[in-house]
Amino acid sequence: GEDVEQSLFLSVREGDSSVINCTYTDSSSTYLYWYKQEPGAGLQLLTYIFSNMDMKQDQRLTVLLNKKDKHLSLRIADTQTGDSAIYFCAESIRADDKIIFGKGTRLHILP
Amino acid sequence: DTGVSQNPRHKITKRGQNVTFRCDPISEHNRLYWYRQTLGQGPEFLTYFQNEAQLEKSRLLSDRFSAERPKGSFSTLEIQRTEQGDSAMYLCASSSPLGTSGHNEQFFGPGTRLTVL
Repeated sequence: GEDVEQSLFLSVREGDSSVINCTYTDSSSTYLYWYKQEPGAGLQLLTYIFSNMDMKQDQRLTVLLNKKDKHLSLRIADTQTGDSAIYFCAESIRADDKIIFGKGTRLHILP
Repeated sequence: DTGVSQNPRHKITKRGQNVTFRCDPISEHNRLYWYRQTLGQGPEFLTYFQNEAQLEKSRLLSDRFSAERPKGSFSTLEIQRTEQGDSAMYLCASSSPLGTSGHNEQFFGPGTRLTVL
């Protein structure tokens, strides 16, 4: 079945790196995503990685994929207060298919 | 603003009443998705349309729920005989036809928050 698991909370000091981890069960997953949700705002796609990639970097964001272990991580370098949000790991089998989301990791930034 | 819009943004209703939500996708997006998000959970897929055709329905979509997209543009989601367990944020998303990139982002609307008393 389809399942995406991630830890619920993470606290990080401002300026440090944040690493949010996720595991998924569906080996057919082709696209793995990270979404950001801020209070009162809609879901925002941060980045995605295709299953034949190991890593993707986009400015302060680095995504690592271990397909063998079905493990996905998101690293946010130089974490800022504006990064405080809920981060959802998600997957889909096809590019235009339904998306299966995890429960979200709430990132809290310490001063 | 040319993003996905949803109306109403908030709806409070009494148990047993019927409610209808509307989603207006981004212009020319042929796929439209409905998700439901309860407190502390991630969004859960309900159903999606390609143009006016409803292609997939989740088992979460009981027979009290019905979704339509009659002209392939806006969509409505109706819940009949609402129950307290229906209280949630109902999210709509749309995406454009697949292009050469092989991936098309789903753009999410702000959601309709339903509270069933």
